[in-house]
Amino acid sequence: GAVVSQHPSWVICKSGTSVKIECRSLDFQATTMFWYRQFPKQSLMLMATSNEGSKATYEQGVEKDKFLINHASLTLSTLTVTSAHPEDSSFYICSANRPLTGERSYEQYFGPGTRLTVT
Amino acid sequence: KNEVEQSPQNLTAQEGEFITINCSYSVGISALHWLQQHPGGGIVSLFMLSSGKKKHGRLIATINIQEKHSSLHITASHPRDSAVYICAVRPQGGSEKLVFGKGTKLTVNP
Repeated sequence: GAVVSQHPSWVICKSGTSVKIECRSLDFQATTMFWYRQFPKQSLMLMATSNEGSKATYEQGVEKDKFLINHASLTLSTLTVTSAHPEDSSFYICSANRPLTGERSYEQYFGPGTRLTVT
Repeated sequence: KNEVEQSPQNLTAQEGEFITINCSYSVGISALHWLQQHPGGGIVSLFMLSSGKKKHGRLIATINIQEKHSSLHITASHPRDSAVYICAVRPQGGSEKLVFGKGTKLTVNP
């Protein structure tokens, strides 16, 4: 089946530094990728929609200058948490839409997530 | 009120039991997803439904579009099925965004 990978799977960084998280669709081209954030015992919260070759669309309340998203190719989107603070510690998950053959539809596949801890 | 409601919130079962998790939604949808999230955090897409029923191994997902309701069934449950099961819908209108339920935490005891 379709696979979406994320790297790294976990990262610890110091407050004030920036961290880049990669999301790759391994066996399909994804024109649209999504970035989610999940706090403990809560559901996924959509942060932004990333379209290849264009600027990401951020959800209300998500700081675009803090969470930089780049979708440089049809198989790679990156999320950079800039000047990270302890409150940015969270589980970040990406997903990618895989077009379904012969249908005007797609299936969404999720990455395994990246756990970010900011000390 | 959340647009996607799941029940129960928590479910404990004995190995071998038949399990049903329910999802009700209040908006018109173009698709409904069932997702599984294990304690480590990774999410697995189990099903995407727009009508009828799908089966994969011991998992069965059904959807009734008129009643705006979907169920996820697990037959012959096993401790490795312990996870959070999340229902998510894609509302009609062309948006690719998903609206998530809060999840059902399933614990299957040996």
